[in-house]
Amino acid sequence: AQSVSQHNHHVILSEAASLELGCNYSYGGTVNLFWYVQYPGQHLQLLLKYFSGDPLVKGIKGFEAEFIKSKFSFNLRKPSVQWSDTAEYFCAVPGGSYIPTFGRGTSLIVHP
Amino acid sequence: DTGVSQDPRHKITKRGQNVTFRCDPISEHNRLYWYRQTLGQGPEFLTYFQNEAQLEKSRLLSDRFSAERPKGSFSTLEIQHTEQGDSAMYLCASSLVKGGYPEAFFGQGTRLTVV
Repeated sequence: AQSVSQHNHHVILSEAASLELGCNYSYGGTVNLFWYVQYPGQHLQLLLKYFSGDPLVKGIKGFEAEFIKSKFSFNLRKPSVQWSDTAEYFCAVPGGSYIPTFGRGTSLIVHP
Repeated sequence: DTGVSQDPRHKITKRGQNVTFRCDPISEHNRLYWYRQTLGQGPEFLTYFQNEAQLEKSRLLSDRFSAERPKGSFSTLEIQHTEQGDSAMYLCASSLVKGGYPEAFFGQGTRLTVV
C-alpha cells in the first residue's frame, strides 16, 4: 500500500518567511497526493491535490506543491507565510479502497 | 463548517467505562470513515463504511471497539472498558464515491480523555 513520510515535524518561522514542507511517498503505481491543513481547534481540510497533469499544483490560501516523480516528493510551499498559517499540515495518499492515509504531520508556528 | 458533525466534542471518562461517539456525515455521502489521532501523529485509519456495510477494519480496532452505521446514515463508535491508551481525538470523515477519487470531508472530532 502507498504511504507518505514527512520529515519536518516542527517548523518555526517569522512572518513573511518562505515555507517548504517535505513529503515523500512510496511508489505504488498511479500517484495521487494531497495536502491537508488543520488550524487550531478546527477540522482537517484539503489544501490541494495532485492527480495528473501539471506537476505544480496551486491550492487555497496561496499554497502550492510540486510533484517530482524522480524524487518521490510532493513538497508544500508558500512564498510568504502569515501568522494565520500556524497549523498542522498533513501529506496524504489514497490507500487501498481510496482510504486517505496520512503522514505524521508537520506543526508550523509562525511568529508575528 | 464542513457539514460533518461529531458529538460530543469532548468526553472525559473513567478507566473501565464504556463510551459512544456519534458522527453525522454530509447527507448525500455514501462512505464514512473513522480515524484516531494522537498528539504529534497524523490521523490513523480505524474503519470505514460504504452505505451501511462495514467494509474494512484496521488492526488498531481492537475487540473493545465497535462501529455501526444503521441505515447508512449516521454512525456510532463505541469503546468498551476504556483504557488510558484510548485517550485520543476520534475523527469522522465522509465522502461520495461515484467514480474517481472521493474527497473526504472531516468533522471536528471528539476528544476522549480516559482518567
